[in-house]
Amino acid sequence: AQSVSQHNHHVILSEAASLELGCNYSYGGTVNLFWYVQYPGQHLQLLLKYFSGDPLVKGIKGFEAEFIKSKFSFNLRKPSVQWSDTAEYFCAVNAGGAAGNKLTFGGGTRVLVKP
Amino acid sequence: DTGVSQDPRHKITKRGQNVTFRCDPISEHNRLYWYRQTLGQGPEFLTYFQNEAQLEKSRLLSDRFSAERPKGSFSTLEIQRTEQGDSAMYLCASSPGLAGGTDTQYFGPGTRLTVL
Repeated sequence: AQSVSQHNHHVILSEAASLELGCNYSYGGTVNLFWYVQYPGQHLQLLLKYFSGDPLVKGIKGFEAEFIKSKFSFNLRKPSVQWSDTAEYFCAVNAGGAAGNKLTFGGGTRVLVKP
Repeated sequence: DTGVSQDPRHKITKRGQNVTFRCDPISEHNRLYWYRQTLGQGPEFLTYFQNEAQLEKSRLLSDRFSAERPKGSFSTLEIQRTEQGDSAMYLCASSPGLAGGTDTQYFGPGTRLTVL
């Protein structure tokens, strides 16, 4: 069975600081990878996704993520955060095929950006 | 296109009662998913439909839980004889059903269930 782990449960940083959130998954086959974000009081929104091709993917609001197959990782980055990036971030994996179409989520990382 | 909608947004019930939630997917999306999210955790998969066919169910979905999507459009999730452990946010998502694993799921606002 596939699993996803996010290393940090809580991150606190100041505006303009750089952000990197770790995500590792366990699954030996081809995977599709996603980062979702949940802003306070709002529903889950897609931040970015990786299916194939260039392992560095860019998403909305200046976020990017890098897929490193050898490390089973899909870390999220943003060079300079804003107060509005305060949210909870979820990494998710879809193995497709025999594993079905379901998403397996990590436990989430709460990010607080201090103004 | 107003996105995935769910109703009700909040439900408080007493232990032992039955509850039913509704999800309306994005129009033209033929896949619909149900997830459950408890405090401090990521969403956990419950079940999914391709059109009206229920194709996969998690072992989390006990026999007190049933989901339907009778006409391949909206879906309902019913919990019978609710227990306090059922308290959670129930999320619905839909996707267009693209082949080759490139499908993307879009989530609704969720129904927060509290069982007293």
